[in-house]
Amino acid sequence: GAVVSQHPSRVICKSGTSVKIECRSLDFQATTMFWYRQFPKQSLMLMATSNEGSKATYEQGVEKDKFLINHASLTLSTLTVTSAHPEDSSFYICSARGTESSYEQYFGPGTRLTVT
Amino acid sequence: GQNIDQPTEMTATEGAIVQINCTYQTSGFNGLFWYQQHAGEAPTFLSYNVLDGLEEKGRFSSFLSRSKGYSYLLLKELQMKDSASYLCAVVSGTYKYIFGTGTRLKVLA
Repeated sequence: GAVVSQHPSRVICKSGTSVKIECRSLDFQATTMFWYRQFPKQSLMLMATSNEGSKATYEQGVEKDKFLINHASLTLSTLTVTSAHPEDSSFYICSARGTESSYEQYFGPGTRLTVT
Repeated sequence: GQNIDQPTEMTATEGAIVQINCTYQTSGFNGLFWYQQHAGEAPTFLSYNVLDGLEEKGRFSSFLSRSKGYSYLLLKELQMKDSASYLCAVVSGTYKYIFGTGTRLKVLA
């Protein structure tokens, strides 16, 4: 149980275009979903927290107009990188939290974004 | 501020025991998680400590001292497949994880 999927696993896009990444909880309802980015040989950095039906909460320094997050249902959250630039190339990982009483997050397999 | 420290890299020999330390200073505390992450993959859950003491699970054990802001992950009978990054994450006052810098462990034959 507690499986989270991400799509696509890898994407290459041209500078200036937008890319959408989907995160789905497959066998549970996700109260909260989180989006992280990870640069090579570094740890995970939280970008934003999203709750179903409400606006995402972004961490300091993360541009909300550039990284659009939509959490339309209890099983789906999307991250759209708008007007992507080479410096946005990174590994993006989502996670989901289920029941109100649990702190554990279940991680998706990640999406490798390369902007050329 | 929020601060979580781990050693950047460690090297150990196959069959040995290794201890990875994590020290933290956070504004709140609702537990500490350890995750294993292989390059290019998602983190996988290893352990969760919220009370002081040692939790043992097979070859992996995790210890927590809340008064000292300290935890460690102990890996016994090291195997080559244990070469990975090990991430310490503290749940602060909300449901958010604050990740440590991560420790890259290299297991040598």
